[in-house]
Amino acid sequence: SAVISQKPSRDICQRGTSLTIQCQVDSQVTMMFWYRQQPGQSLTLIATANQGSEATYESGFVIDKFPISRPNLTFSTLTVSNMSPEDSSIYLCSVRAGLNTEAFFGQGTRLTVV
Amino acid sequence: AQSVTQLDSHVSVSEGTPVLLRCNYSSSYSPSLFWYVQHPNKGLQLLLKYTSAATLVKGINGFEAEFKKSETSFHLTKPSAHMSDAAEYFCVVAYSGNTGKLIFGQGTTLQVKP
Repeated sequence: SAVISQKPSRDICQRGTSLTIQCQVDSQVTMMFWYRQQPGQSLTLIATANQGSEATYESGFVIDKFPISRPNLTFSTLTVSNMSPEDSSIYLCSVRAGLNTEAFFGQGTRLTVV
Repeated sequence: AQSVTQLDSHVSVSEGTPVLLRCNYSSSYSPSLFWYVQHPNKGLQLLLKYTSAATLVKGINGFEAEFKKSETSFHLTKPSAHMSDAAEYFCVVAYSGNTGKLIFGQGTTLQVKP
């Protein structure tokens, strides 16, 4: 299993500003992902955080809006840039140890943009 | 391409009666499948997983699911609902290839009435 710590747990931000969310894992993991869960919705994959290289973004998500860093196998950050109220969501970090293993999730960051 | 469909957005049962949450998947190969539960304002918790071993999978809290390849289904069941089972349930399929990405269904809200 993996224990994931996400910071901050919640924040209220002004539109036009940026917020960086941190994800710390208690063990080295090969696969790390960032998801968004809009109010009352399911989880949507934003990107795969690749260690030492640029993240792989899903359709509809771009690096300028959601820059991601992953300097090592236990840590990643997601920045939500130039925020608007539509960015109000829960953002979750997730890790998997291998292809036949389950995913573990952080508690999420609840972001409200006003 | 992989996809997953949860056939009911909302299921309501009485306490002590059986629970059935339906999930169909689309995959060009034998996939890995998962059920996760999300209680209000809580993180995601793995209920059970199927990774090409036994087709009847037992999970936590009395839940189980059966993988039926001929029907491309992975329905979640529990013989007797408890009030604490009220939550959001997600059926999840692993993406093909070696990316490790997971695709979430739209979710089913389980309501348990006294």
